[in-house]
Amino acid sequence: GENVEQHPSTLSVQEGDSAVIKCTYSDSASNYFPWYKQELGKGPQLIIDIRSNVGEKKDQRIAVTLNKTAKHFSLHITETQPEDSAVYFCAASITGNTPLVFGKGTRLSVIA
Amino acid sequence: EPEVTQTPSHQVTQMGQEVILRCVPISNHLYFYWYRQILGQKVEFLVSFYNNEISEKSEIFDDQFSVERPDGSNFTLKIRSTKLEDSAMYFCASSPRTGTYEQYFGPGTRLTVT
Repeated sequence: GENVEQHPSTLSVQEGDSAVIKCTYSDSASNYFPWYKQELGKGPQLIIDIRSNVGEKKDQRIAVTLNKTAKHFSLHITETQPEDSAVYFCAASITGNTPLVFGKGTRLSVIA
Repeated sequence: EPEVTQTPSHQVTQMGQEVILRCVPISNHLYFYWYRQILGQKVEFLVSFYNNEISEKSEIFDDQFSVERPDGSNFTLKIRSTKLEDSAMYFCASSPRTGTYEQYFGPGTRLTVT
């Protein structure tokens, strides 16, 4: 079955710097790759996603890139702010309504 | 903005006891899911539910687990006889329609089995 690996497990950046989180997946049939942000005491919140027919997607300060050949995808956060501090999860799934397979999460700390 | 809600936020139970975790998915959503996260580990899929039946389940979802949609709004996960290793955060999620990729998660219920 699918396996998703995520790095790094923790990441500290200065406010205003960029943060990059990387994930790899094993199943070439996967074609949907969401990113979730989890703040303390809350459930995972979908922040951006990408499908396999697209190489990059941007939404204000966050962007996701996908390399299907290499089977990896990345989350980029620019101009980080303290409120970006949270745990970020990547995930993969094959098609609609199928189970998401998650990475282990990255704890991002943005230092003011 | 509509949200998935879950109750209770924290449940403590003794080994061998039955627990029911409750979820209210987003209104008009059709697909429902349960995931769990043991402390320090990955979020893992348990079961998906559509049209009043299980559509997919993982190997974790054994005979001790069951799901139900008892009315038009609630979606429940029952663990019949809890074990210490069932201690985890349980997340409910929902999707609006067939073919949808996006899943929207609730805040979770922390289950502690003593």
